[in-house]
Parts: sequence; structure tokens; C-alpha cells
Amino acid sequence: SQQGEEDPQALSIQEGENATMNCSYKTSINNLQWYRQNSGRGLVHLILIRSNEREKHSGRLRVTLDTSKKSSSLLITASRAADTASYFCATEGTGGAQKLVFGQGTRLTINP
Amino acid sequence: EPEVTQTPSHQVTQMGQEVILRCVPISNHLYFYWYRQILGQKVEFLVSFYNNEISEKSEIFDDQFSVERPDGSNFTLKIRSTKLEDSAMYFCASRQSEGHRQFFGPGTRLTVL
Repeated sequence: SQQGEEDPQALSIQEGENATMNCSYKTSINNLQWYRQNSGRGLVHLILIRSNEREKHSGRLRVTLDTSKKSSSLLITASRAADTASYFCATEGTGGAQKLVFGQGTRLTINP
Repeated sequence: EPEVTQTPSHQVTQMGQEVILRCVPISNHLYFYWYRQILGQKVEFLVSFYNNEISEKSEIFDDQFSVERPDGSNFTLKIRSTKLEDSAMYFCASRQSEGHRQFFGPGTRLTVL
């Protein structure tokens, strides 16, 4: 089964608006993380939320986690052109090597 | 802040050639990983390494791939005979211990011609 499915696949909004991206997963997790990636570049870690947490904030980022629904959301408030990037959720499983399983990502475009 | 480094940043090779991608994990980290990302696709787990042995590998990590920690600081991924479909960004990651998050390197872009 596939973990970490994000929706929408692409999102285009105006600068200053809020952007919400969602992630669903299928198995038990230790934590869920969100990463940003500019085109062809590296992965920038944004935020980690543990399985026993429900909400976390970091600057303009707000992440929620609902383990009963196996879903998470990332909210970026007051978006800026520099937020244009792909955003991936990644789940860390409870067993084995605790590898990260990434979703397909949401391509976010902020229009000035 | 300590960081994971990877070399080279970009490698171009001919199909059938061997390549070695190098990573220097953060010095007190004990768990090491390789991931790859084909252009336009999601990041996929390849292999994890702990206590000088592979702890888990994915279906992608077939006999063409191998990993090594030759000297206590480097962590390498070798592809014995590259194929066109091996073209991707390869990310190394390390973590200190269970309960700590992984830290990613900047990636090596591998282009197989």
C-alpha cells in the first residue's frame, strides 16, 4: 500500500493568501514530517509532528495530525512568492529501520 | 550546525559504467540511509545501514547496488553497471539514534547517458 498521498497535486494561489495541503497515510507511524523542495534542489525539513501530538506551529507553518483518520495538513499562512516549491509529507514507520516514506507532493505556486 | 555532505553534486556517466556516490554523515550519527528521486517523482527509500550492515532495503536496491562505510566517516553507494533508469537525484541521510529525525544531504544528481 502507498503511504503519504498528498492533495492537491498542484495548488496556485495569490501572494498573501493561505495555502493548505493535505496528506494521508495507511500504516502506524512514529511521526510525520513535511519537507519543501525547490525545483531540482535538496530537501528542506520544515516540521516534524509526533504521533502523540495533534498540532504544531513553526513561524507561518501550522501542521495538524489526526491519527484516527491517518491524515495531516500543512497550512502556510500569508504566503509569499518565495514559498513557491513542492511540498512533501513523509511518514516514519514504527518498525524496522524507521525509514521515511514520502508522498507524491503538492506543487505550490504563489502568484505575485 | 553540523550537516550531511555529498559528493559529487552532479555525476554524468555512460550506461554500463560503475559509479560511487559519496556521503559524509554527521559525525555522531549511527544510522545511515540512501534515497533516490527520479525527476518529477517522489523520494523513494533505497537502503538503511546500521552497525556496519544493511538493516533494510527496498525492492529497488537490487544486486546492482551496494553500500559501504569504508573508514568510519564516509558512507558510499555504488551502482555496478548503471542503466538509463538509474538517472535520478540520490540523497544520503543520517540520524543520531532512534527517536531522532534524519538529516538529509544536498543530493547527487546522477545522469546516465
